[in-house]
Amino acid sequence: TQLLEQSPQFLSIQEGENLTVYCNSSSVFSSLQWYRQEPGEGPVLLVTVVTGGEVKKLKRLTFQFGDARKDSSLHITAAQPGDTGLYLCAGAHGSARQLTFGSGTQLTVLP
Amino acid sequence: DVKVTQSSRYLVKRTGEKVFLECVQDMDHENMFWYRQDPGLGLRLIYFSYDVKMKEKGDIPEGYSVSREKKERFSLILESASTNQTSMYLCASSFMGVGNTEAFFGQGTRLTVV
Repeated sequence: TQLLEQSPQFLSIQEGENLTVYCNSSSVFSSLQWYRQEPGEGPVLLVTVVTGGEVKKLKRLTFQFGDARKDSSLHITAAQPGDTGLYLCAGAHGSARQLTFGSGTQLTVLP
Repeated sequence: DVKVTQSSRYLVKRTGEKVFLECVQDMDHENMFWYRQDPGLGLRLIYFSYDVKMKEKGDIPEGYSVSREKKERFSLILESASTNQTSMYLCASSFMGVGNTEAFFGQGTRLTVV
């Protein structure tokens, strides 16, 4: 099993603050995805990054894939209570059909 | 609207019972997956299937089996439920291809084994 380590595990911040969540591995991934899961629901895909060094933006969320394709980060600007949820990174290896998920970051944004 | 539907949101079963968790997808996806989700451990893959009657072990297959008799349906079976199988179970599906295709998840089944 190729592990994906996420940090921090828990994050509680005030509305309007910025934050960064990290996803790290010792192995190379062919692509990396970020999902958000709300209570009582399954995870929903936010973004897929494929190229080393790639940066994608989704409104206030910025995703970056490391140059060596071993790590990724998610940065949220001016967090809002609606951003509250469990953020999961997931990596794919080569031609494998399955994803390896990280341990998750539970984000709480307080109004 | 694409959908992955799991048969139950909550289940309570007794130790030793045989438990069936059902998952149906309406997107004609080839790949289907069963994960369990525990606090601090993320999602761990139990089994997956890329075609009817095909199955592959994931990272934690012990104590579980699966069945895929039709493309749209993937069942997870706990042969003899134990308390350490108390968990949230998530089913997912995706198009044929490598892992960078989007996985669509069901709403989860929270199983408690007493």
